[in-house]
Amino acid sequence: DSGVTQTPKHLITATGQRVTLRCSPRSGDLSVYWYQQSLDQGLQFLIHYYNGEERAKGNILERFSAQQFPDLHSELNLSSLELGDSALYFCASSVAGRGAGTGDGEQFFGPGTRLTVL
Amino acid sequence: AQTVTQSQPEMSVQEAETVTLSCTYDTSESDYYLFWYKQPPSRQMILVIRQEAYKQQNATENRFSVNFQKAAKSFSLKISDSQLGDAAMYFCACGGSQGNLIFGKGTKLSVKP
Repeated sequence: DSGVTQTPKHLITATGQRVTLRCSPRSGDLSVYWYQQSLDQGLQFLIHYYNGEERAKGNILERFSAQQFPDLHSELNLSSLELGDSALYFCASSVAGRGAGTGDGEQFFGPGTRLTVL
Repeated sequence: AQTVTQSQPEMSVQEAETVTLSCTYDTSESDYYLFWYKQPPSRQMILVIRQEAYKQQNATENRFSVNFQKAAKSFSLKISDSQLGDAAMYFCACGGSQGNLIFGKGTKLSVKP
């Protein structure tokens, strides 16, 4: 158990809908990262938040957004869903704020949320 | 920009034998970390080993060790005394100042009894 929790574990929805994925980082970790794992694209970085502020963006679609709340949990919002959005969405947390290249840098992954868009 | 390449989509090893998984990377950063993650059928991402780029000494964690060749930008993972529980997808990743990890496509490791 990494200490990172994600809910829900599974989500099935229809095209055009909107969903929210939730992540609680390990106790004491200020950074939250979101990744998408799909069959064709592999593991891709979406977005990074540190102590409530957005720090970096990756290949995140405009239909997707995220935020980190004062209690440090994070939510990833996916809207106008398409079939191609079906994937496993991981949240990871770390102590470091400036990134994996500084300080400890180690990221701990949650169990993921499997999203199926029908 | 960073890139990570794993050239072996699948590998197989006999139980108790040794196997080496290859990884090459490219980064323009001077300060970065390299990681190997294991993803079993449960899909959980488990950190196997990490290497700080500024350290010349290769990292080891029990049966797992790396061969880090900084000039060649190579970061291979050696698994000794392979066990059935080692069967999984293995991902090589590079992390830099942006905070995110860049992953390779993965290598599926099978362990034969």
